[in-house]
Amino acid sequence: SQKIEQNSEALNIQEGKTATLTCNYTNYSPAYLQWYRQDPGRGPVFLLLIRENEKEKRKERLKVTFDTTLKQSLFHITASQPADSATYLCALDPYNTDKLIFGTGTRLQVFP
Amino acid sequence: DADVTQTPRNRITKTGKRIMLECSQTKGHDRMYWYRQDPGLGLRLIYYSFDVKDINKGEISDGYSVSRQAQAKFSLSLESAIPNQTALYFCATSDLNSGGYNEQFFGPGTRLTVL
Repeated sequence: SQKIEQNSEALNIQEGKTATLTCNYTNYSPAYLQWYRQDPGRGPVFLLLIRENEKEKRKERLKVTFDTTLKQSLFHITASQPADSATYLCALDPYNTDKLIFGTGTRLQVFP
Repeated sequence: DADVTQTPRNRITKTGKRIMLECSQTKGHDRMYWYRQDPGLGLRLIYYSFDVKDINKGEISDGYSVSRQAQAKFSLSLESAIPNQTALYFCATSDLNSGGYNEQFFGPGTRLTVL
C-alpha cells in the first residue's frame, strides 16, 4: 500500500545535540516534500520544503535532505534546544494534485 | 489577529446531533481544506475546495459535508454525529500562486467530542 512512515516512537535527546528525524515513503514520486512542526493542541506550522531536484535544504538550525532513490527525507535540528520539543510531521503531494498526505509524526523531546 | 480561525475551539455533543465547524481566513487564499487528526493516524483529508465554486471529497468524507460560503469561509458539517467522529479537526489554506508547492497554513483546531 502507499504510505508515509515516520518513527512513531518519541525521540529523546540532550540539549545541544543534533536531532535527526526520518520520513520514508513508498510508491510515490513526489515533486517535493514538506516538514511541519506541531505543538500539543495546536495546528501544524510549515517549516521547510525540499524539491525533488534538491539534495539538501537549510534554514537556520534546520536541515532537510531528500533522497528520491531511497524514498527518504531526513530532518535535522542542530544545537537542539528544549524549545524544539514538539511533534514533527512530513508531508508530500503524491500525485501533484495539491493535496498533501501527512505522516503520523515523530515527537521530539529535548531535555536540558 | 490569527490568519486562519476556527470556531468553536472545543465542542461536546451527543450522538445524532447536527454540528457545524466554521473556518475563516484573512490570507486571501483560494484553497481551503478540512482535516481530522486522530492519535496514531495522523492528519487525514476530509474535504477540500480550490475556489468558491469547487468542492471535492477527500480521503474520509463519509458522514461529513462542507459549504464554501465565500473565499474566506469554509464550513464543515456533521449531519448526525457519531462517537467515532470524536477527533481534532483542522482547517487549512494554501495559495494558488505559491509556486506550485502548496505550503499549508493551519487554524488552531477544534476539539470535538461526540458522546
